[in-house]
Amino acid sequence: GAVVSQHPSWVICKSGTSVKIECRSLDFQATTMFWYRQFPKQSLMLMATSNEGSKATYEQGVEKDKFLINHASLTLSTLTVTSAHPEDSSFYICSARVMNEQFFGPGTRLTVL
Amino acid sequence: DAKTTQPPSMDCAEGRAANLPCNHSTISGNEYVYWYRQIHSQGPQYIIHGLKNNETNEMASLIITEDRKSSTLILPHATLRDTAVYYCIVIRIADKLIFGTGTRLQVFP
Repeated sequence: GAVVSQHPSWVICKSGTSVKIECRSLDFQATTMFWYRQFPKQSLMLMATSNEGSKATYEQGVEKDKFLINHASLTLSTLTVTSAHPEDSSFYICSARVMNEQFFGPGTRLTVL
Repeated sequence: DAKTTQPPSMDCAEGRAANLPCNHSTISGNEYVYWYRQIHSQGPQYIIHGLKNNETNEMASLIITEDRKSSTLILPHATLRDTAVYYCIVIRIADKLIFGTGTRLQVFP
């Protein structure tokens, strides 16, 4: 199957700083990528849909000014958590759609102190 | 999107078949049944999907009832590495995946 990578795999930052997470499709081009967040012992929650060359579409309740998404190329989407706070600590997972399947990255664990 | 209902947890002995049920009684004609799984602290992994016919691949088999109101994912010979949360999702093609609570499958020796 198609391979999606994420970087970094884990990050620890201080409260108030911004953190950027990269999502790359390694062997295919993805016009659409998705960003999910997962808290411990909970299911994945869709945050936003990222379309190459256009603004991301955010799910209800997700602050677009806090979670900045950029999808500047067909192989890269980035999620920036701005002014991170401890409650933003979570597992962030991206995915990319190819034909009728969605392939997921390995996830990025963010811990905000 | 149609709502799905899955048991919260199941156990299976290693080497035996794991049969994971999913109810989707409100599925509409153009919606597919997708199965993903998530091993602890990893991203979800695609398993299989189908519309109305039974499907089989190297990982699993998907059995969809004739009325399409329920389906069963079958792992023919479960191993310890199959321990994961399994998600049944019903969506139209190219729609975004919305995850429910899934079934936590524990495979024991």
